[in-house]
Amino acid sequence: QVQLQESGPGLVEPSETLSLTCTVSGGSISTYYWSWIRQPPGKGLEWIGYMYHSGTTNYNPSLKSRATISVDMSKTLFSLKLSSVTAADTAVYYCARGIFGVVIGGHNYYMDVWGKGTTVTVSS
Amino acid sequence: QSVLTQPPSESGTPGQRVTISCSGSSSNIGSNTVNWYLQFPGTAPKLLIYTNNQRPSGVPDRFSGSKSDTSASLAISGLQSEDEADYYCATWDDTLNGPVFGGGTKLTVL
Repeated sequence: QVQLQESGPGLVEPSETLSLTCTVSGGSISTYYWSWIRQPPGKGLEWIGYMYHSGTTNYNPSLKSRATISVDMSKTLFSLKLSSVTAADTAVYYCARGIFGVVIGGHNYYMDVWGKGTTVTVSS
Repeated sequence: QSVLTQPPSESGTPGQRVTISCSGSSSNIGSNTVNWYLQFPGTAPKLLIYTNNQRPSGVPDRFSGSKSDTSASLAISGLQSEDEADYYCATWDDTLNGPVFGGGTKLTVL
């Protein structure tokens, strides 16, 4: 059974770069869309972006090109870097496995396996 | 402000049937499939319904999803106390070119 585990510093200073890693165990890192999602305190979910194992990436435009996702297939992990962070980036960050296809009903994208999440606070 | 609109809260009594609505537009729900996630406090979201009405293995058939035009609904029958959680709808948005979520609905079992 596939499991995901986020890791990284829990505290990042304003204007610095947030760096998180998601380790994938119990399954292959190929075929799927490896995603990052975040949830600010007391708020809803926000998609950050995903990377397909081939290298294709897609990011939420609201992050204004601050996000970079990479996959290390040899180590079965993927990473998130978010630059120039502010207090607004304080959130629980989740990694997830995405499944994407085009069906009769349109685009079909969902995340079927999630990590437990890691809390990141942006503060000096 | 979420792209998809959900009621902030819903409630029901044990055994009752409750529905949670999710409203979108032609660029998201109207042209793509809908998924639902369940989140208990302090834990990660869990996939509850995918591709409008499909249940992952292990999800009871008390949970069902439907979609019509630019809206979707999650129905929970035979409500149980352990169903008390936050529920999020999600879909692909053609304008954003990515997935979007609703603001979430907190379900309370009275």
